[in-house]
Amino acid sequence: AQSVTQLDSHVSVSEGTPVLLRCNYSSSYSPSLFWYVQHPNKGLQLLLKYTSAATLVKGINGFEAEFKKSETSFHLTKPSAHMSDAAEYFCVVSDPSGSARQLTFGSGTQLTVLP
Amino acid sequence: EPEVTQTPSHQVTQMGQEVILRCVPISNHLYFYWYRQILGQKVEFLVSFYNNEISEKSEIFDDQFSVERPDGSNFTLKIRSTKLEDSAMYFCASSRRQGANEKLFFGSGTQLSVL
Repeated sequence: AQSVTQLDSHVSVSEGTPVLLRCNYSSSYSPSLFWYVQHPNKGLQLLLKYTSAATLVKGINGFEAEFKKSETSFHLTKPSAHMSDAAEYFCVVSDPSGSARQLTFGSGTQLTVLP
Repeated sequence: EPEVTQTPSHQVTQMGQEVILRCVPISNHLYFYWYRQILGQKVEFLVSFYNNEISEKSEIFDDQFSVERPDGSNFTLKIRSTKLEDSAMYFCASSRRQGANEKLFFGSGTQLSVL
């Protein structure tokens, strides 16, 4: 069985300050991990994914995430928030089978960016 | 970037009525999925579809649910007799290749409200 926990349901940052969205997972396997973003009235968009290559993964729009097996974490970061980053972010874990059924979503973190 | 489109964006129906949620996946994609998110809960897998057949389905996807690709472009989810607990945001997704390790493209969702 696998699970994913997003530790903050809401995060609020000022524009230009760093963003940290936290995600912890549990899995019996070596998982694949993803971050998706959903802007208002838009579909879920893949930001980045980890699939057992480099532990530091760079994604779109300046986001990156680091896979830390010892901490079972996959936190999402960005050095400097932009107003357009305001959205809901989902951490997702998948088992190695790659089955779509085995995609487990976190409960989401709503990011607010203050001017 | 190509998009998955879903219609309608909002659907209100009476309990016991049939609803059809429509999706147009990305044109060269071969794998199609439905997920849903009940308010306040996590995104859940419903079904995956390939080569005009269901590949996988979850326990949620009972006999009241069906999927179809009627004309080679649309991908529909039908709920035969809606229940109050079917109220949720329904997301369609598609991918070129199988599985969660591939990039899934999601639509913006259909908010279904069952009264």
